[in-house]
Amino acid sequence: DTAVSQTPKYLVTQMGNDKSIKCEQNLGHDTMYWYKQDSKKFLKIMFSYNNKELIINETVPNRFSPKSPDKAHLNLHINSLELGDSAVYFCASSNSIVDEQFFGPGTRLTVL
Amino acid sequence: QQQVKQSPQSLIVQKGGISIINCAYENTAFDYFPWYQQFPGKGPALLIAIRPDVSEKKEGRFTISFNKSAKQFSLHIMDSQPGDSATYFCAASKGNNDMRFGAGTRLTVKP
Repeated sequence: DTAVSQTPKYLVTQMGNDKSIKCEQNLGHDTMYWYKQDSKKFLKIMFSYNNKELIINETVPNRFSPKSPDKAHLNLHINSLELGDSAVYFCASSNSIVDEQFFGPGTRLTVL
Repeated sequence: QQQVKQSPQSLIVQKGGISIINCAYENTAFDYFPWYQQFPGKGPALLIAIRPDVSEKKEGRFTISFNKSAKQFSLHIMDSQPGDSATYFCAASKGNNDMRFGAGTRLTVKP
């Protein structure tokens, strides 16, 4: 049973396109996150959703928009993709009582 | 600005040796300090975590040492094994939101 799943695992697209990455967790957690890991492996938080409310929004371009249809899903939409968006994007989830964050397997986005 | 500084960037240790990775933080409001382990092609997974009310936590071969006054914490891996070869991230957060990660340490354990 996969706790946090992401689709697709790989995404190759052209500059200027719009794409989405989906994330689902079956842990019953109430908070979900999106992280970006760049080519140097640096992990940076992008968004956090708690009970369908955005509670962290780092200095991320507004081309990136998280969408949470329900507590178990947090999708990431990216408009007008740029070369610099190429990275691995990780979804994670946690419970507001326990601090541990559980990460998905990642989506490697390549913008050509 | 990076709120959690991690060193070294890379580390090579012989099998059976001790691996030590260090982190320093700036924000005294942080109250949760986890270490994550990441294998190639996988997401980070929690290895061990500590809160500032204790100075040390041990789980098997993995130990966190925490120095609140110095705002530093470190991960010690005893009897390092080739299977421990991975990238290790320290992190810090207040509650479970807004977790800040260190830059990562790539550990290689040679057989």
